[in-house]
Amino acid sequence: ETTLTQSPAFMSATPGDKVNISCKASQDIDDDMNWYQQKPGEAAIFIIQEATTLVPGISPRFSGSGYGTDFTLTINNIESEDAAYYFCLQHDNFPLMYTFGQGTKLEIK
Amino acid sequence: QVTLKESGPVLVKPTETLTLTCTVSGFSLSNARMGVSWIRQPPGKALEWLAHIFSNDEKSYSTSLKSRLTISKDTSKSQVVLTMTNMDPVDTATYYCARIRLRDYDSSGYYYENAFDIWGQGTMVTVSS
Repeated sequence: ETTLTQSPAFMSATPGDKVNISCKASQDIDDDMNWYQQKPGEAAIFIIQEATTLVPGISPRFSGSGYGTDFTLTINNIESEDAAYYFCLQHDNFPLMYTFGQGTKLEIK
Repeated sequence: QVTLKESGPVLVKPTETLTLTCTVSGFSLSNARMGVSWIRQPPGKALEWLAHIFSNDEKSYSTSLKSRLTISKDTSKSQVVLTMTNMDPVDTATYYCARIRLRDYDSSGYYYENAFDIWGQGTMVTVSS
C-alpha cells in the first residue's frame, strides 16, 4: 500500500503570500493525486484532481504540480478565506484503496 | 444538488458495535460511475479511509480494519451503512462519507477520473464507558 507524507503540518501566511504544501508518495503513483480544502464544521471541498487539474469553480489562485512521487499544492496571493485544513489523497488501483496525507493547517495572519 | 449526510450515535461504549448511515440525495446509488466511501478523522489526527461500495456491490475495506468493518447499501432508501464492531476509545473520531466519482463526466464536460468529489459534514462519535 502507498503511504503519503504531507508537509508542513502547520503553516502561517500573510495575505498576498504564496504558499506551497508538499505531499510525497512512498511509490510511483503517476498523477493519481487529489487535493482538498476543509474548514471547521464544513464539508471538504475538492480543489485539484490528478495532480494538476483545477476543479471547476475553484479559484485559479490554487494550482497543483508533480508526478510520480512528489506533489505540491500552491496557493498564490493568499487571502484570509484560504485559512483551512488542506489534505492530499491518492488511490491505488489494484485493489482500489485510498490513502490520505497527514494534512496541513494553514493560518492567515 | 448533491448532498451526503452522516447519522448515527454520538456516544458508544467500548466493545459495542457502531452503525453509521450515510443518506445521499441528488444522485442514485445505482449509478455505475459512482460509489460511496467512509472516512474517519480522530481528533487532531489525519484522515483515514475505511471502506467503499459501488453500484454493483463491489466493496473494499481498509486493510487494518477489515475484520471489523461491514459496508452495505440500500439503493431504494439512498443509504449506505457502515458497521464497525468491537469499538474502542481509539475509534473516537469524526466519521465522514463521500461520493466517489469514477471515470465520469459532469454536465459541463469536466472529467472525473477517481475522486471523492462531494463530502458530508461528518458526525462525531465518542467511544467511552
